[in-house]
Amino acid sequence: NAGVTQTPKFQVLKTGQSMTLQCAQDMNHEYMSWYRQDPGMGLRLIHYSVGAGITDQGEVPNGYNVSRSTTEDFPLRLLSAAPSQTSVYFCASSYRSETQYFGPGTRLLVL
Amino acid sequence: GENVEQHPSTLSVQEGDSAVIKCTYSDSASNYFPWYKQELGKGPQLIIDIRSNVGEKKDQRIAVTLNKTAKHFSLHITETQPEDSAVYFCAASPDGKLTFGQGTILTVHP
Repeated sequence: NAGVTQTPKFQVLKTGQSMTLQCAQDMNHEYMSWYRQDPGMGLRLIHYSVGAGITDQGEVPNGYNVSRSTTEDFPLRLLSAAPSQTSVYFCASSYRSETQYFGPGTRLLVL
Repeated sequence: GENVEQHPSTLSVQEGDSAVIKCTYSDSASNYFPWYKQELGKGPQLIIDIRSNVGEKKDQRIAVTLNKTAKHFSLHITETQPEDSAVYFCAASPDGKLTFGQGTILTVHP
């Protein structure tokens, strides 16, 4: 099993550009989530999904969209990037919503 | 919502010493408390977790204790080794969603 994979590893965007961060898992986990990690602030939940077709907002959802059309994939979309979205983004999955397995992360720089 | 405070933010120990990291939480409904280790450039990895129906759990050199009355839980690492150097995060979950502490940078000096 590859576990949780994320692409790209690193991305530079200009303010106003859009992009999609990809996340995939091959463990048949129902629960998937997106976090952002900023210095001194731990990991904060952006959006999560309890199964295909079901998504909900986390602590910091503004500026981000998600969808879950399959069990395996959970992409995160930035429609109009802002410098405040410069961060490291982690995707996680779990069989139940608690014991979460994290991907390697995507480093995003918005200029 | 839940709020988790983690201390200290940095911790430096000599190889072989013990390290203790403490977290407090605010929501008495929280019933799941995991600890994650994050090495440089990698995603967090679960190292141990505890549920609210037990007060202590141990896995080799790592142990976690939980005091539900005081709403705090701690990570204990004994006989520390240089490879224990990393960032450690605690988290709490009242409803299946994790709220993380701010992290502790642990440095183990040889």
